[in-house]
Amino acid sequence: DGGITQSPKYLFRKEGQNVTLSCEQNLNHDAMYWYRQDPGQGLRLIYYSQIVNDFQKGDIAEGYSVSREKKESFPLTVTSAQKNPTAFYLCASSRTALLGNTIYFGEGSWLTVV
Amino acid sequence: EDQVTQSPEALRLQEGESSSLNCSYTVSGLRGLFWYRQDPGKGPEFLFTLYSAGEEKEKERLKATLTKKESFLHITAPKPEDSATYLCAVKATSGYSTLTFGKGTMLLVSP
Repeated sequence: DGGITQSPKYLFRKEGQNVTLSCEQNLNHDAMYWYRQDPGQGLRLIYYSQIVNDFQKGDIAEGYSVSREKKESFPLTVTSAQKNPTAFYLCASSRTALLGNTIYFGEGSWLTVV
Repeated sequence: EDQVTQSPEALRLQEGESSSLNCSYTVSGLRGLFWYRQDPGKGPEFLFTLYSAGEEKEKERLKATLTKKESFLHITAPKPEDSATYLCAVKATSGYSTLTFGKGTMLLVSP
């Protein structure tokens, strides 16, 4: 089935550690995105990529890093510099980054700092 | 700055009791308004895209409408399985080619 796969679903991180969240899509979409969701807040954009080997910062990029070495993959690293990383992370993709294209989401990954 | 405000924050309905959710927006130029449904612990599921004032779209018990300042998601004769958080998002003609989201409306439909 075509879709967006995020892993792991649940992840626990000790303070001071970097962790990487995986996102893979088999929709042949050019554009991919990472959003963060906190209780009582709307989704906020962390990073997005319009094409392989290219990505741009979103509204809350500090403490995060990404790579886009393959069209189907867009991993997100939460670094120790991220002060409050506990959240629900959502990966998304769209056919292109053109303004009219619909963005589709994966099932999300829960990150908890312990 | 693009802004999206959804109301009410939460809504409780009896099964069969129709109602509407509101999404007010302020953008420099609207490229599209999107409605998503999100179940607890899951990613948002796409419902509708509206592009211009006066446009309407329907899917089962849901109908979305759009004016120049707001969108409504009308729910007709809801069932318990319609319980979810409904998210509204806008895509502007300037800035990032991505979405600005509202905080959502949590809908609970009781049998």
